Amino acid sequence: AQTVTQSQPEMSVQEAETVTLSCTYDTSENNYYLFWYKQPPSRQMILVIRQEAYKQQNATENRFSVNFQKAAKSFSLKISDSQLGDTAMYFCAFMNRGGSNYKLTFGKGTLLTVNP
Amino acid sequence: NAGVTQTPKFQVLKTGQSMTLQCAQDMNHEYMSWYRQDPGMGLRLIHYSVGAGITDQGEVPNGYNVSRSTTEDFPLRLLSAAPSQTSVYFCASSYRGNGYGYTFGSGTRLTVV
Repeated sequence: AQTVTQSQPEMSVQEAETVTLSCTYDTSENNYYLFWYKQPPSRQMILVIRQEAYKQQNATENRFSVNFQKAAKSFSLKISDSQLGDTAMYFCAFMNRGGSNYKLTFGKGTLLTVNP
Repeated sequence: NAGVTQTPKFQVLKTGQSMTLQCAQDMNHEYMSWYRQDPGMGLRLIHYSVGAGITDQGEVPNGYNVSRSTTEDFPLRLLSAAPSQTSVYFCASSYRGNGYGYTFGSGTRLTVV
């Protein structure tokens, strides 16, 4: 079974600064997807960024980028130029690719607070 | 395009009552899942489905039933509500093979007293 670990329950950052959220995972599979989801106080789960394991290039989406280290099973999220609207719970998630198993496995989350 | 629609948004039940949380998606997604979210626990998978007529258990299935008679709908049934089922419930759907992750509904906050 896959496991996802987020070792930072809470983090804070000043507006306009850069912050990195950590995520490690454990799997014996070679072909999978990794995701970061954002959950603001509205409770809605929003997909921030995705990474395909077979792609070596790190994914980027505007101010959000990842550092994907497949051998180390590490998948960190970097938020540049932090904004007040980035305040949210962030979840790292793993999804195996292949067969009929497309279940998402989540970490426990990191609560990020952006301070003015 | 409505995406994933969950009803109700809030519900209070008494211990022992039964109810059904509704979930519908209009994106023709094959995969649908139910998660519960508890403080400090992240989201845990209750049941999931890979297509109409096919369901399977997730990590925390006890006390819940599901069925998938159509592609669009995936209701979650609580058979006899218990205080331990107080949680926020999310339904999500995904298209097989595109790896774009799941689209989530807005959640149902359930309190069992």
